[in-house]
Amino acid sequence: DAKTTQPPSMDCAEGRAANLPCNHSTISGNEYVYWYRQIHSQGPQYIIHGLKNNETNEMASLIITEDRKSSTLILPHATLRDTAVYYCIVRVNSGGYQKVTFGTGTKLQVIP
Amino acid sequence: NAGVMQNPRHLVRRRGQEARLRCSPMKGHSHVYWYRQLPEEGLKFMVYLQKENIIDESGMPKERFSAEFPKEGPSILRIQQVVRGDSAAYFCASSPRASGGTDTQYFGPGTRLTVL
Repeated sequence: DAKTTQPPSMDCAEGRAANLPCNHSTISGNEYVYWYRQIHSQGPQYIIHGLKNNETNEMASLIITEDRKSSTLILPHATLRDTAVYYCIVRVNSGGYQKVTFGTGTKLQVIP
Repeated sequence: NAGVMQNPRHLVRRRGQEARLRCSPMKGHSHVYWYRQLPEEGLKFMVYLQKENIIDESGMPKERFSAEFPKEGPSILRIQQVVRGDSAAYFCASSPRASGGTDTQYFGPGTRLTVL
């Protein structure tokens, strides 16, 4: 299984870009990087995923390094509602399907 | 398009009772996953089911826990003879398919089980 390493916590000023890093140095060539977030006590919310190209959607941008050993999730204009735990996940192939394994994530605090 | 539905949202049981948690996947999704989250911890995979089949139950305790996803109706996670250590949030996720590709799992709001 490819493991991910994330800082346990980060602060970001409201209105600023939040850049959340993730290391996945043992990722395999066919494994995707996924990001989810969990706002207090709610179910995890899918944000974005990518393989090797940078991706952008209405929520965030995902920047994956060329060697794919790390990535950064960018929330371009953080709001107070973005305060949550952010999980970086690498999809693992197991028994013909892809198990999702959550780590401890990064607790992002957006400050007014 | 309704998301993943879970009920009840909160469940209180006394030690020794049974807990039944229900999950209705998103429309068009035939793959269901159950996760457990203990207080202050991350989500732990429990079981993956397709209609009428358990595909992977490697994360589920061997005793007292069972899961099903019948041809009709919601998926059920059943915990018999609950103990205080079963107190947790149980999340269900669904996806349209699971073989290869990048099938995103979408999560429900969870059921918070409290065992007194």
